[in-house]
Amino acid sequence: DAMVIQNPRYQVTQFGKPVTLSCSQTLNHNVMYWYQQKSSQAPKLLFHYYDKDFNNEADTPDNFQSRRPNTSFCFLDIRSPGLGDAAMYLCATSRVAGRTGELFFGEGSRLTVL
Amino acid sequence: AQSVTQLDSQVPVFEEAPVELRCNYSSSVSVYLFWYVQYPNQGLQLLLKYLSGSTLVKGINGFEAEFNKSQTSFHLRKPSVHISDTAEYFCAVSVRNSGGYQKVTFGTGTKLQVIP
Repeated sequence: DAMVIQNPRYQVTQFGKPVTLSCSQTLNHNVMYWYQQKSSQAPKLLFHYYDKDFNNEADTPDNFQSRRPNTSFCFLDIRSPGLGDAAMYLCATSRVAGRTGELFFGEGSRLTVL
Repeated sequence: AQSVTQLDSQVPVFEEAPVELRCNYSSSVSVYLFWYVQYPNQGLQLLLKYLSGSTLVKGINGFEAEFNKSQTSFHLRKPSVHISDTAEYFCAVSVRNSGGYQKVTFGTGTKLQVIP
């Protein structure tokens, strides 16, 4: 089945130690997104790629970076995680041709910062 | 800018009882509307969507929602809930932005707790 796969599902890191989360998709969708979701809150968009074009939300901290080496993969890099960065990180894709905004989510990566 | 309001943060309901989760939105342009469900420690899964046509849309797991343009609402309903429906439900609105693609805004979510 076509899907969005995130790794790892659970990541524990130390304060200030860089971490990378990965996302792969077999849907061949043009757009890939990274959302941050804290407990009992709505998902918050960090950035997205439209093909190779990177779009950063205005309030996304500089501590968060992203790479999309090809259509299938996208990475979220957190350069120096703080305690406030502990959250669920959700990768999602959408198909531009449909232009409805329907999102296809992965299972998420839960980050714990010690 | 568009916004989504889910008035109820938590809704407890007894098993086999009906439930309605409320969602209101605001937007100056036409929208697409979605309901997503999130089980603990999982990603979001699409329940149903309104794109055009009939204002009553049916989704997975027996859920349905009705688009009401005059009241700018998109309430989610199920006539008889099961324990397995315990989850968090997010309403979302999608509008075309200046860049030519769809921007999605989520509500703050409603936790549905089904009581045996």
